[in-house]
Amino acid sequence: DARVTQTPRHKVTEMGQEVTMRCQPILGHNTVFWYRQTMMQGLELLAYFRNRAPLDDSGMPKDRFSAEMPDATLATLKIQPSEPRDSAVYFCAGLLNTEAFFGQGTRLTVV
Amino acid sequence: AQSVTQLDSHVSVSEGTPVLLRCNYSSSYSPSLFWYVQHPNKGLQLLLKYTSAATLVKGINGFEAEFKKSETSFHLTKPSAHMSDAAEYFCVVSDPSGGSYIPTFGRGTSLIVHP
Repeated sequence: DARVTQTPRHKVTEMGQEVTMRCQPILGHNTVFWYRQTMMQGLELLAYFRNRAPLDDSGMPKDRFSAEMPDATLATLKIQPSEPRDSAVYFCAGLLNTEAFFGQGTRLTVV
Repeated sequence: AQSVTQLDSHVSVSEGTPVLLRCNYSSSYSPSLFWYVQHPNKGLQLLLKYTSAATLVKGINGFEAEFKKSETSFHLTKPSAHMSDAAEYFCVVSDPSGGSYIPTFGRGTSLIVHP
């Protein structure tokens, strides 16, 4: 089973609060991606890691977003401080060969 | 750089009629190509994938797609639409141009199925 697990599934928070989203790829997913989905922009690549090292985070607003991969089965995406425009669904995916396995997403609402 | 264009933002069909969702890609390599489906408020489910084997790929729920290199296309088809097929469909291209296989998504096609 190459399934990726994301937590929480839903998060409602107030503007200015810190938000942490978690992703658990499986061992063997040597590349891990974070995507953001909005109605206006569709699915955008925010950042990705290979063998836990950050390769590209150019899609991420660096002043408030940070992505880390403390171990092979945990990736985190933090937003501090959160803003209403961050409201979106955030997907994590793990790469096995050439196929990406997506988590169910975290639906973030910032009010 | 790789890119993918989904030619229709919305496709509307009647139940029982054929479905055609169009996708064109650009890649400097031999790409891997995928179709994902997303039902409302749900995650992304893989329908089918092409990874340089047979050019006609069969997927789940009766969907199939044909890889045509000369046309740089990977259109998704289904002979007979069901109401449950109503969803958002994403064409995805992935090649090693960035040093890693990075999935690049099209903007999506919303499939509407009328009774």
